Parts: sequence; structure tokens; C-alpha cells
Amino acid sequence: GAVVSQHPSRVICKSGTSVKIECRSLDFQATTMFWYRQFPKQSLMLMATSNEGSKATYEQGVEKDKFLINHASLTLSTLTVTSAHPEDSSFYICSAPGPVYNSPLHFGNGTRLTVT
Amino acid sequence: AQKVTQAQTEISVVEKEDVTLDCVYETRDTTYYLFWYKQPPSGELVFLIRRNSFDEQNEISGRYSWNFQKSTSSFNFTITASQVVDSAVYFCALSQPNFGNEKLTFGTGTRLTIIP
Repeated sequence: GAVVSQHPSRVICKSGTSVKIECRSLDFQATTMFWYRQFPKQSLMLMATSNEGSKATYEQGVEKDKFLINHASLTLSTLTVTSAHPEDSSFYICSAPGPVYNSPLHFGNGTRLTVT
Repeated sequence: AQKVTQAQTEISVVEKEDVTLDCVYETRDTTYYLFWYKQPPSGELVFLIRRNSFDEQNEISGRYSWNFQKSTSSFNFTITASQVVDSAVYFCALSQPNFGNEKLTFGTGTRLTIIP
């Protein structure tokens, strides 16, 4: 079946540094990918829609300059958390629609970011 | 506005008992999708089921069954003869308008613990 791979699975960084998270569709092309954020014991909140070849669409309240999204190819989207702060510590998870028309979303394994 | 309510924050049952996870949703759309995802401790989201708003037939898949009732805006999930491997957080989700089944609004999740 369709697989979405996310890397890294865990990352610890210092305040002020930037962290890049990759999301790949392994055996299918994804012109659109979605980035979600999950705080501990809370629900998943959609952050942005990543569009191949064009700018990402951000949800209300999500800082574009803080969370940079680049959809460089049909199989890769990246989320860069810039100038990270402890409050950015969270679980970030990406998803992509499967290769078959109207197939449900497939999610990556997520990235747990800890900013110290 | 869309909303998904999972009133049960945490549930614990003894192995082999049946358990039902509740999901109530709100939407103004006449066409929508409902989903259940499982999130084991490892973090990834595992797709369980998708239901179209026009299809109110209940569904059974092994030990899992789902009861969709538009009259009460509910999409409940039952696990029969629960097993320890069923321990996870379960999310109910609703598709957002005009995005097919790609952009989702998630409930807050129900943490299910199966006691051996």
C-alpha cells in the first residue's frame, strides 16, 4: 500500500536553531501534502497544505515565516521550523492522499521535536 | 463551523471485554466523510475506516464495527473481544468542506487501555 515516510522521527535542538523535517511519498506521487501538529495528549491540528510547484496554504494562526514549507518535488515536502523555541516542541506529522483517486489520507510516522 | 467531539478522554477495559468509542460531529455540509484513525504509542496514524455521508450502513471488519447514524450525527466505533494490542489513542475525524476527504478536522481522541 501507499507509504508516507517522515524523517527524522525524533529531534532535539537548541533554542534559536532551525530544524527541517522531511515527508516523502515512497511509491506514489503527491502533489499535495498536509502538515499537522499535535501537542501532548491533544488532537491533531492542521497547520498547512503543501502544494507542489506553488506556495503552501497556511491555516489561520500559523506563522508562515516560522514554519517554512517547501514542496520541491512530487514525492517530497519539507517543513522547516525556524528559530525554534521551547513552545514549538510538539509532534509534527505529515500526510498525503493515496495514489488512487479519492483514496484516504496516509500519514507519516511523525516527528517529535524537542526544543531546549 | 465544523466540530468533532469525542467525549471519552480515556477508557480502560479488561481484555476480552467489548468497548465502544463515541464520536459526535457537527457540519453544515450535506456531503462529507467520516474517519477513524488509530494512533499506537509509536505515534503513527493508522487508517481504520472512511464513511461517506450518503452511506449509513454499518460496517464490520473482524473485531471492529462502526455505527453511523446521521439522525444523531454520530459515528461510533466498537471493538469486540478487546486485546492488549488495541491499546492506543483513537481519533475520529471529519472532512473539511470543499476538500473531498483530504483536509480533516480531528476530535480530541480517546485513549483506550486494554488491561491484560
